[in-house]
Amino acid sequence: AQSVTQPDIHITVSEGASLELRCNYSYGATPYLFWYVQSPGQGLQLLLKYFSGDTLVQGIKGFEAEFKRSQSSFNLRKPSVHWSDAAEYFCAVRLESAGNMLTFGGGTRLMVKP
Amino acid sequence: SQTIHQWPATLVQPVGSPLSLECTVEGTSNPNLYWYRQAAGRGLQLLFYSVGIGQISSEVPQNLSASRPQDRQFILSSKKLLLSDSGFYLCAWSVRVGRVGNEQFFGPGTRLTVL
Repeated sequence: AQSVTQPDIHITVSEGASLELRCNYSYGATPYLFWYVQSPGQGLQLLLKYFSGDTLVQGIKGFEAEFKRSQSSFNLRKPSVHWSDAAEYFCAVRLESAGNMLTFGGGTRLMVKP
Repeated sequence: SQTIHQWPATLVQPVGSPLSLECTVEGTSNPNLYWYRQAAGRGLQLLFYSVGIGQISSEVPQNLSASRPQDRQFILSSKKLLLSDSGFYLCAWSVRVGRVGNEQFFGPGTRLTVL
């Protein structure tokens, strides 16, 4: 069955430290890949997306993600975390054969220490 | 520009009462529309999606239903709420399916508490 896994449910980093959030998927074909961020009590905001081409994609708020086909991963990174980055992050995938349906990972809650 | 609205923002309802959550999209035509539920501490669960007026697909069988009476209006309903219906309900829209992987845009959500 198709699945998206975010292995880390909670992550705590110090402000200014680097961040990497993991995302793995299990599909036979290359999916379309997305990262969303959700602040408490808010909707989801798209951070970045990968469709094709350069496997390192840049997003908003200083985030980037790298698609690694060999590892079926699409990890989200940021070189220096700000306190305002504290939120929940969701990885999502979409197969072209599945219309526009997204499958979401379980989310990773990021806490930032001062 | 496109915007998506949900109301109410917060709702507290007794068990067994009816439910109606509304979602509207502005600035686009013929969108795909989606309802998700996010239970406490859990990820997003797709409940319904719609590719056009009156066209509803259900992903998870339960006591909820959805309707799309107008192109940019999507309603989530229940005749009798259960405690397990508590959660954060998110509406989303996307451009109609094409060759390009279209992202979904989310509304601000409705926090439903069933007591």
